[in-house]
Amino acid sequence: QVQLVQSGAEVKKPGSSVKVSCRTSGGTFSNYAISWVRQAPGQGLEWMGGIIPMFGTTNYAQKFQGRVTITTDESTSTGYMEVSSLRSEDTAVYYCARVSPASEEFDSWGQGTLVTVSS
Amino acid sequence: QSVLTQPPSVSGAPGQRVTISCTGSSSNIGAGYDVHWYQQLPGKAPKLLIYGNKNRPSGVPDRFSGSKSGTSASLAITGLQAEDEADYYCQSYDNRLSAHVFGTGTRVTVL
Repeated sequence: QVQLVQSGAEVKKPGSSVKVSCRTSGGTFSNYAISWVRQAPGQGLEWMGGIIPMFGTTNYAQKFQGRVTITTDESTSTGYMEVSSLRSEDTAVYYCARVSPASEEFDSWGQGTLVTVSS
Repeated sequence: QSVLTQPPSVSGAPGQRVTISCTGSSSNIGAGYDVHWYQQLPGKAPKLLIYGNKNRPSGVPDRFSGSKSGTSASLAITGLQAEDEADYYCQSYDNRLSAHVFGTGTRVTVL
């Protein structure tokens, strides 16, 4: 049974950074890409970017390029997503998801991490 | 703005059939990329409902079915139940954006 467990809620000041973790268990970490998706309050799902742990290759949505960094630590089967220069519009629930290599569906999701940006 | 368009809401009485459309373009669904569907219950993380256009993961009731044609896809729920009240999202890949893309989302209400 694959499980993705994310770090806890964060409250950040505008202009600061936040790093969210996503620890996976129950599967072969390197074989699956990890994507990050966010959901602003009352809004829909928005793909931010992803990484393939085996190759370390990343792909970001254009909107987040330069402000979001996605990494992994294979030794702990953990993925990380860092957002810099936070602004109030970044207040959202951030999800990690495992991406199946076959047809690239997001087959397992973390529980979500609420990041609140407020002065 | 999402490149996949869904109706904001659909509703039906218990036992009825409802369908949710997902309209894309030649750079995503029309380019042959698979469409996947997710169910998001209130306050919960999304859950994979349909993958590869029409396949159900283990544990998903066969009341849920998916299809794809041209630049669009659809999710059908037959025998609607109260527990199906949730938000539903389609997802695919867009080669113009080089990005995974989600639909705008549809809220299903059971009357």
